[in-house]
Amino acid sequence: DAGITQSPRHKVTETGTPVTLRCHQTENHRYMYWYRQDPGHGLRLIHYSYGVKDTDKGEVSDGYSVSRSKTEDFLLTLESATSSQTSVYFCAAKGAFSTDTQYFGPGTRLTVL
Amino acid sequence: AQSVAQPEDQVNVAEGNPLTVKCTYSVSGNPYLFWYVQYPNRGLQFLLKYITGDNLVKGSYGFEAEFNKSQTSFHLKKPSALVSDSALYFCAVRDQAGTALIFGKGTTLSVSS
Repeated sequence: DAGITQSPRHKVTETGTPVTLRCHQTENHRYMYWYRQDPGHGLRLIHYSYGVKDTDKGEVSDGYSVSRSKTEDFLLTLESATSSQTSVYFCAAKGAFSTDTQYFGPGTRLTVL
Repeated sequence: AQSVAQPEDQVNVAEGNPLTVKCTYSVSGNPYLFWYVQYPNRGLQFLLKYITGDNLVKGSYGFEAEFNKSQTSFHLKKPSALVSDSALYFCAVRDQAGTALIFGKGTTLSVSS
């Protein structure tokens, strides 16, 4: 998985609780991304980062926040989880050039009860 | 707005037969196009990309894709399918800002023996 790990790999939580997912990369990629995958929707971008402390919103950012305090780590936080946030979450990373390929982590399956 | 369409939810093919997974796109400017494959309970794996140059792009595992600008298509092909090719395939296009990818909804390829 191109040096990208995600933790936890599986999580079950209850509505209203905060949840943080972690993405770690070892290739010093500039860009990092969080996507969610849902049946019938493909992958949709939640947030992305273009450098340490530099982040921006994606298509489905409501209810999510992110932080990047180090090049290698990108955190996704659900401040108060809802059942609609039950999904599989993928982290990705790529280099600085627009032609660079995005590489993906193994995913985190989150269930919100 | 940039968009990607994968018109078939599922493609069925017999082992040894050629396969095609279709993708059409809508972009302003020159398209950067990608194909990824996802095996069950795994992350997305990069197959190939078109940036510029030869319209026929060769990628991993014997896959290739043909870029057709007039038809705004980027179909994935393989001359002889294997059962192990059975997976979920995603087409993607770089977004207008040049930072993230916009994904199609995916096509499930099923290869029967």
